Amino acid sequence: EVQLVESGGGLVQPGRSLKLSCVASGFTFSNYGMNWIRQAPGKGLEWVAYISSGSSYIYYAETVKGRFTISRDNAKNTLYLQMTSLRSEDTALYYCARGGSLGDFDYWGQGVMVTVSS
Amino acid sequence: DIQMTQSPASLSASPEEIVTITCQASQDIGNWLAWYQQKPGKSPQLLIYSATSLADGIPSRFSGSRSGTQYSLKISRLQVEDTGIYYCLQRYSNPWTFGGGTKLELK
Repeated sequence: EVQLVESGGGLVQPGRSLKLSCVASGFTFSNYGMNWIRQAPGKGLEWVAYISSGSSYIYYAETVKGRFTISRDNAKNTLYLQMTSLRSEDTALYYCARGGSLGDFDYWGQGVMVTVSS
Repeated sequence: DIQMTQSPASLSASPEEIVTITCQASQDIGNWLAWYQQKPGKSPQLLIYSATSLADGIPSRFSGSRSGTQYSLKISRLQVEDTGIYYCLQRYSNPWTFGGGTKLELK
């Protein structure tokens, strides 16, 4: 069974940093691209970042480019999102999602909440 | 950026009815279109990929179609468990963008 479990969220002050993790199981993690997607409270979905299976290709949404860094450790089956210079508008539930055989987000974690507030 | 205009924003329908949700892309995206369902308090679930292909484990009453740059999700024989918010997503070019969502309620 495919499982994605996010962690690392919490309450953080504006301008500070936070690092999210997503531990994968039930599939060969190193064979799949991975994504972070977020959802602000009561709002829709926003794709945040993508990393290819071997970390060769990385893409970001403009709203986070230069502040967030996606990475992965295939030996640990873990995806990361390093978030710096956090803003109130980064407050959201952050999901990790697997990019399926055609890249579509076929499995999602349960999400981890990040709240940016003083 | 490619804009995905989704409509309607909300709708209410009765069990066994047929509903259609549409997404209009601001430019050609080929078949790089997927549909997701998000039930209340849950993570989104993939329904349709490549515009028309049904994801694993999804009932056949869900179907996707394309006409030019307009994409549609059709739900036949609505069930109570179909309540939720539906999103389209284009992955033709970065940044990948979601539609604004359609909230479906059952009467």
